[in-house]
Amino acid sequence: EAGVAQSPRYKIIEKRQSVAFWCNPISGHATLYWYQQILGQGPKLLIQFQNNGVVDDSQLPKDRFSAERLKGVDSTLKIQPAKLEDSAVYLCASSFRDSYNEQFFGPGTRLTVL
Amino acid sequence: AQKVTQAQTEISVVEKEDVTLDCVYETRDTTYYLFWYKQPPSGELVFLIRRNSFDEQNEISGRYSWNFQKSTSSFNFTITASQVVDSAVYFCALSEPETSGSRLTFGEGTQLTVNP
Repeated sequence: EAGVAQSPRYKIIEKRQSVAFWCNPISGHATLYWYQQILGQGPKLLIQFQNNGVVDDSQLPKDRFSAERLKGVDSTLKIQPAKLEDSAVYLCASSFRDSYNEQFFGPGTRLTVL
Repeated sequence: AQKVTQAQTEISVVEKEDVTLDCVYETRDTTYYLFWYKQPPSGELVFLIRRNSFDEQNEISGRYSWNFQKSTSSFNFTITASQVVDSAVYFCALSEPETSGSRLTFGEGTQLTVNP
């Protein structure tokens, strides 16, 4: 079974630029999550999708972050414009139903904002 | 206040030593779930265990064991006879369905280094 795929693995941008990350969850997993992990901290949930609907985006900075999940499969997370404090690893995870079940994580995208 | 507290930021042991990673949580939910994840240097979080609030039985899986005590709001993780490959950051996490839906709240993590 293929795992959660993410791209790119690394991205370096200047502040005020835009960036987008892509995630392909495990086939058949209805729930998809985007986490932000700042160096030295635990992951923090940004947004959770159930199929293609948003379940929880209470911790997403909506003035600059947006996410979508087309057709309930792939997802993209966008930052526009980026700030220095957005430097982090962005992790995508999926689970069969919800987070009461095991979440499977992708390798993450390491973003550096200069 | 932190919902999940992992007081040990870093632990260093010598191979074959036993090591316990502490996790203390805070919740008002009656039903909740606790997790441990491992994050090796490659960065990918790996699921280790899930416990629900009604199951206080300790669990053992090979060299890993978990001690869940509701009375002290703790869910500690012990590695017996540690190995170099156990070196990683370990995260404890909490899910509170009644108040926060299915969001996972992670602790700050404990960096475990096992030296040969």
